[in-house]
Amino acid sequence: SQTIHQWPATLVQPVGSPLSLECTVEGTSNPNLYWYRQAAGRGLQLLFYSVGIGQISSEVPQNLSASRPQDRQFILSSKKLLLSDSGFYLCAWASGSSYEQYFGPGTRLTVT
Amino acid sequence: DQQVKQNSPSLSVQEGRISILNCDYTNSMFDYFLWYKKYPAEGPTFLISISSIKDKNEDGRFTVFLNKSAKHLSLHIVPSQPGDSAVYFCAARRGDSNYQLIWGAGTKLIIKP
Repeated sequence: SQTIHQWPATLVQPVGSPLSLECTVEGTSNPNLYWYRQAAGRGLQLLFYSVGIGQISSEVPQNLSASRPQDRQFILSSKKLLLSDSGFYLCAWASGSSYEQYFGPGTRLTVT
Repeated sequence: DQQVKQNSPSLSVQEGRISILNCDYTNSMFDYFLWYKKYPAEGPTFLISISSIKDKNEDGRFTVFLNKSAKHLSLHIVPSQPGDSAVYFCAARRGDSNYQLIWGAGTKLIIKP
């Protein structure tokens, strides 16, 4: 069966510090991968998606970036965090032929 | 431009009664709709979906209805149970986009004992 892992679960970082959040998927090959952010009391905002290694599409211009160095690994990064980057970050995967996305447990990021 | 709207931020229902969560959309290119359930500090979990060629889909206590002419869908939960208390998200897929879902803002369902 497929599983998706995200870490860390919680993170407190000062403004201006770098960020690296990692997501890995097991039990499937060539998944579509997604990074979302949920701000407090808001819906899900798609940040990036990837349909293959090295292929990244950005939905929202900002100081975040994403990379997919391996088939089942998706990384969200920032060189300098802003206060507005605080939120709940979710990684999701979908098989190429499926509409349904399956989410990881999320990372709560607080920028202070 | 909110293409998928969940106009009720919250809904309170008595345990054992029916919960009805609503979702409206504006884009006629949407061809597939999904409902997700989310507990605090967890990722959303997939509940049920419906293709635009259907008007109803059932899975146990959950039924989704689609009214294409009104661009409206609803999720019915019968009977409502305490574990159903969560935030419910409606999402839609555009027929010309394989990779993206457009999400509503969510409705917080509270089941009262």
